[in-house]
Amino acid sequence: DIQMTQSPSTLSASIGDRVIITCRASQSIGNWLAWYQQKPGKAPKLLIYKASSLESGVPSRFRGRGSGTEFTLTISSLQPDDFATYYCQHYNLYSTFGQGTKVDI
Amino acid sequence: QVQLLQSGAEVKEPGASVKVSCKASGYTFTDYFLHWVRQAPGQGLEWMGIINSIGGSTSYARKFQGRVTMTRDTSTNTVHMVLSSLRSEDTAVYYCARGFDTSSMPLLAYWGQGTLVTVSS
Repeated sequence: DIQMTQSPSTLSASIGDRVIITCRASQSIGNWLAWYQQKPGKAPKLLIYKASSLESGVPSRFRGRGSGTEFTLTISSLQPDDFATYYCQHYNLYSTFGQGTKVDI
Repeated sequence: QVQLLQSGAEVKEPGASVKVSCKASGYTFTDYFLHWVRQAPGQGLEWMGIINSIGGSTSYARKFQGRVTMTRDTSTNTVHMVLSSLRSEDTAVYYCARGFDTSSMPLLAYWGQGTLVTVSS
């Protein structure tokens, strides 16, 4: 099975900071990579798919890059609404999520 | 608008089974696959499997094969997930989610509100 590893597990940041989260796959997954945002007590929200495509309605400060085994999610200027946990996901026939990155103050 | 409305919280004893339901609205039910994902308290997301809403065929993650059954009812636009032989490690919030497009890829654009299943004696 393909394993997805995110880093860091926790990230402390301030409003306006540029934040980068990394996701590594145990083998090449092409660009079948998505990013989700989850807030406490809520369902995840799709942000990015196909590694770099922005889901409709998601602010442009979110950017996804990468292919193969290494991927990044960048938040260009952190806003108060962005404090949450972020998950990467390999999706194809099956699905595997990373363990999550909590972005807090 | 797409809505997925799940059944309420459940408390079950170890060894029992639980059935979680998910009623879809706001789109043509048989056009999209539905998935189940769970999240243990304070933990990450775990994909459980997929059901084809039109034909009812299923595919389950290896971890849950033999213990999970997903079904659908096209008369009520509802999918059901039964997890059997429950153990304490199955305590989690269970989500249904609809695919981003009509493919079977588990790219999850719409989510239910989640159903907490607690396994405790």
